[in-house]
Amino acid sequence: AQSVAQPEDQVNVAEGNPLTVKCTYSVSGNPYLFWYVQYPNRGLQFLLKYITGDNLVKGSYGFEAEFNKSQTSFHLKKPSALVSDSALYFCAARRGSTLGRLYFGRGTQLTVWP
Amino acid sequence: KAGVTQTPRYLIKTRGQQVTLSCSPISGHRSVSWYQQTPGQGLQFLFEYFSETQRNKGNFPGRFSGRQFSNSRSEMNVSTLELGDSALYLCASSVGTGDSTGELFFGEGSRLTVL
Repeated sequence: AQSVAQPEDQVNVAEGNPLTVKCTYSVSGNPYLFWYVQYPNRGLQFLLKYITGDNLVKGSYGFEAEFNKSQTSFHLKKPSALVSDSALYFCAARRGSTLGRLYFGRGTQLTVWP
Repeated sequence: KAGVTQTPRYLIKTRGQQVTLSCSPISGHRSVSWYQQTPGQGLQFLFEYFSETQRNKGNFPGRFSGRQFSNSRSEMNVSTLELGDSALYLCASSVGTGDSTGELFFGEGSRLTVL
């Protein structure tokens, strides 16, 4: 079975500090990996994706993610957190052959305190 | 370019009723997929349509159905509503072909409450 795990339900970090939101996956083949963010009562907004190539991918709003094939991980990072980054973050994976179907993690609530 | 539009945004139904939710994808996108989001189960895949054909289906009972029209707009229907169907229903669109690396673009969702 395909699955994505986000081991932390909550991450709290002080503004200005670096943040990491963890994600591991168990998806066959060479999956495509994504991060999305969700603000209260809103849909999901795309942040970044990894398809192939450089293991460090850069995305929107200063976020980046590091792909590690041996550890089957795709952790989201930001060098300096902002209060406005507080939101619910979802990691997702897709098998290349199944267009449109994403396997989501349970989400990590990020709180950045001033 | 307009984003993915879902209607209605909020609705309240009672058990046993049925509901239809609508989704208009981004112009030029031919794939539409639907997800159910609940606090307990998280985001679960319902189904995906491409060129009016259901291409993938998740693990939901037959009460959940969908369709896609020739203009790529999609609807999903839930019949004989149960309390557990209360959720945020998210629609997402993508180009769907020749763009297999493409991300999904999500709408704001339709929040269904079943009383």
